[in-house]
Amino acid sequence: GAGVSQTPSNKVTEKGKYVELRCDPISGHTALYWYRQSLGQGPEFLIYFQGTGAADDSGLPNDRFFAVRPEGSVSTLKIQRTERGDSAVYLCASSLDTGDGYTFGSGTRLTVV
Amino acid sequence: GESVGLHLPTLSVQEGDNSIINCAYSNSASDYFIWYKQESGKGPQFIIDIRSNMDKRQGQRVTVLLNKTVKHLSLQIAATQPGDSAVYFCAENQNGQNFVFGPGTRLSVLP
Repeated sequence: GAGVSQTPSNKVTEKGKYVELRCDPISGHTALYWYRQSLGQGPEFLIYFQGTGAADDSGLPNDRFFAVRPEGSVSTLKIQRTERGDSAVYLCASSLDTGDGYTFGSGTRLTVV
Repeated sequence: GESVGLHLPTLSVQEGDNSIINCAYSNSASDYFIWYKQESGKGPQFIIDIRSNMDKRQGQRVTVLLNKTVKHLSLQIAATQPGDSAVYFCAENQNGQNFVFGPGTRLSVLP
């Protein structure tokens, strides 16, 4: 597609449940990034992929968070045993190559109740 | 959509005036900077970028200034319009890979 697509746009889940958030980057973009944005704050880096491999996952807050990009295109961010503190907007971005400016998707708003 | 940045610093300007949004960045080794605009319910949108070998770059109605001595970045918007109302973030690239975002400034354009 023309832009970065994220699904779902909104997700409400119960505490303790497992969720998957999907990102479709711009075709041909090799770098893909996940960020988390809490209310009133700037986006915070979670993980970035160059191709299929996670080049830097230093921003993942704990081992409940995991992301994959098996074919170097679509990526899925997975959160296990969700907690209320995980509630935020999860943003995905892609760029042609590492270090280039990003194009962001509209995000998935995750609410854990 | 969700309002981004309920407790952010706010800059209010009259329509038609010029706006200046400031940002202090953290890492003197950062060599690439981007300003993003974020409207409610949307992801950040690229506005303009600048590399560390420059101190000024101009786009359409926007200018970015970089002062590496004091680690300061500014975004100037000429003839501010109602459509410019949004939250603005500066982002610095520290390691050639991912960008680190500042806390953001809400720009409110008054009619």
